Amino acid sequence: SAVISQKPSRDICQRGTSLTIQCQVDSQVTMMFWYRQQPRQSLTLIATANQGSEATYESGFVIDKFPISRPNLTFSTLTVSNMSPEDSSIYLCSVLGTSSYEQYFGPGTRLTVT
Amino acid sequence: AQSVTQPDIHITVSEGASLELRCNYSYGATPYLFWYVQSPGQGLQLLLKYFSGDTLVQGIKGFEAEFKRSQSSFNLRKPSVHWSDAAEYFCAVGASASGGSYIPTFGRGTSLIVHP
Repeated sequence: SAVISQKPSRDICQRGTSLTIQCQVDSQVTMMFWYRQQPRQSLTLIATANQGSEATYESGFVIDKFPISRPNLTFSTLTVSNMSPEDSSIYLCSVLGTSSYEQYFGPGTRLTVT
Repeated sequence: AQSVTQPDIHITVSEGASLELRCNYSYGATPYLFWYVQSPGQGLQLLLKYFSGDTLVQGIKGFEAEFKRSQSSFNLRKPSVHWSDAAEYFCAVGASASGGSYIPTFGRGTSLIVHP
């Protein structure tokens, strides 16, 4: 298993600003995922971040808006840039288990853009 | 491309009653199948998984799921629901892709409401 922490747990930001969310894992993992979850909706995959390579973004998400860093096997950041109220959501970090394909999730970052 | 369908947005059951949450998937082969639970204000937690072998898998908290290839289904069941089971339940499928990547896909979730 893996224990994941995220910072901040929540934030209220003004439109036009940027927020960087940190994801820390207690063990080394290859694959990390960033999701967005709107209230009472499913998880939408933003990007997959593997250490040592560029993040792979899903359709509808671009690097300029959601730059991701993955400097090592236990840490990643997601930045939400030039925020608008539509970016208000819960952002989840997830990792893939090393011995199986099950995912472990962080507690999420609740972002409100005013 | 793979997809997951959870046809029920909400399910309401009485405490002590049995539960079945439906999940159908679309994929060319047998994918990896999962059920996750998200309690209010909590992160997602794995309930159970199916990779191969016995089609009836047991999970945590008394849950089980059955893989039916002919129906492309992976329904979640519990014989007696407890009030603490009220949560959002997500079915997910995963598949390996070229280059060693992995593609997970989640259903939209089913909200379980438990009446006393």
